[in-house]
Amino acid sequence: GAVVSQHPSRVICKSGTSVKIECRSLDFQATTMFWYRQFPKKSLMLMATSNEGSKATYEQGVEKDKFLINHASLTLSTLTVTSAHPEDSSFYICSARGMRDHEQYFGPGTRLTVT
Amino acid sequence: GQNIDQPTEMTATEGAIVQINCTYQTSGFNGLFWYQQHAGEAPTFLSYNVLDGLEEKGRFSSFLSRSKGYSYLLLKELQMKDSASYLCAALDSNYQLIWGAGTKLIIKP
Repeated sequence: GAVVSQHPSRVICKSGTSVKIECRSLDFQATTMFWYRQFPKKSLMLMATSNEGSKATYEQGVEKDKFLINHASLTLSTLTVTSAHPEDSSFYICSARGMRDHEQYFGPGTRLTVT
Repeated sequence: GQNIDQPTEMTATEGAIVQINCTYQTSGFNGLFWYQQHAGEAPTFLSYNVLDGLEEKGRFSSFLSRSKGYSYLLLKELQMKDSASYLCAALDSNYQLIWGAGTKLIIKP
């Protein structure tokens, strides 16, 4: 099956610093990648949708200047949390969609803790 | 608006059968997914239904009725490792996933 990797799996950073999370589709080309965040015991919240080579589409309430998304190639998308604050601590998950629109594969997630 | 409803929590006994229901209202419809998510992990794909009927895959089966906006996930021969959250998600006309809040399934010995 299709594999999506995320790096790092866990990161702890200080308030005010920036953190970059990478999402890679390892064995397929992902025309679209999605970034989610999930708070404890809550469902997934879509943050943004990114298409290769174009600007990401952000969901309402998500600050695009704070959560920078780059989808430079068909296998890599990055999410940068800028000037992180403790309230940004969350589980961030990416997913990638292949050529058939209904296929969407999840990365293992990144646990971000901002101190 | 778009909405997915599923129960918040269910409890079942090891070895038994449990059915998790999901109703959906979306702008257009291109299929329904079920995902399993263990605590602290990302969701893993269980099933995808786009046509009416029952899809069986081992101990897990998923059913869809498009006319009723209804789906269920059926888990048989429950094992302790099946304790997890089960997420229902519908694919809308823009091929965007609309997520339910998840059903936490607790399996008791």
